[in-house]
Amino acid sequence: EADIYQTPRYLVIGTGKKITLECSQTMGHDKMYWYQQDPGMELHLIHYSYGVNSTEKGDLSSESTVSRIRTEHFPLTLESARPSHTSQYLCASLSGQGYTFGSGTRLTVV
Amino acid sequence: DQQVKQNSPSLSVQEGRISILNCDYTNSMFDYFLWYKKYPAEGPTFLISISSIKDKNEDGRFTVFLNKSAKHLSLHIVPSQPGDSAVYFCAAPHQAGTALIFGKGTTLSVSS
Repeated sequence: EADIYQTPRYLVIGTGKKITLECSQTMGHDKMYWYQQDPGMELHLIHYSYGVNSTEKGDLSSESTVSRIRTEHFPLTLESARPSHTSQYLCASLSGQGYTFGSGTRLTVV
Repeated sequence: DQQVKQNSPSLSVQEGRISILNCDYTNSMFDYFLWYKKYPAEGPTFLISISSIKDKNEDGRFTVFLNKSAKHLSLHIVPSQPGDSAVYFCAAPHQAGTALIFGKGTTLSVSS
């Protein structure tokens, strides 16, 4: 059973639309991460948070934004989706037991 | 510049044989390494890890070997099973408790 929940699993959306990808965990983990991954490529860190009201950009520049108003919730928002945003987005959290990933959101922008 | 490298994009083996997946790293400060298995429409799932104080860690059919002097690690799967077919990622945290840095992955195909 997954400890990190991402919704939606799949999303096809038109160019210019605003979208929010949801990520939530009930384990009380402070450290959470968003990665972006394309086929045949590594997972690239795009955002991370070490707790409520703490967010930082990752190594890969991204036009997305994140918020961390509650410990359990770490949503990612694209204000105006473009075809170049087509990718898989993976959320993760870190505890003493290690890193746990959600099932991901496969985003397609047409 | 990639700090974690998986130079073999794909590997094909027969069921029952050994699968060896390789990973190289450039940052000598890395002291903990992880292997993840991933299916296309899923998130990565943790397989096995190794600390730099060890040179081998074993868990069932999976064994990870670490050669610090060569900055190289490998994942051995014995015996390989068709259900092992997936993409395998090598990863390391830049510092303890920080985000993971991933390689590009190796696609393993195990045929029956």
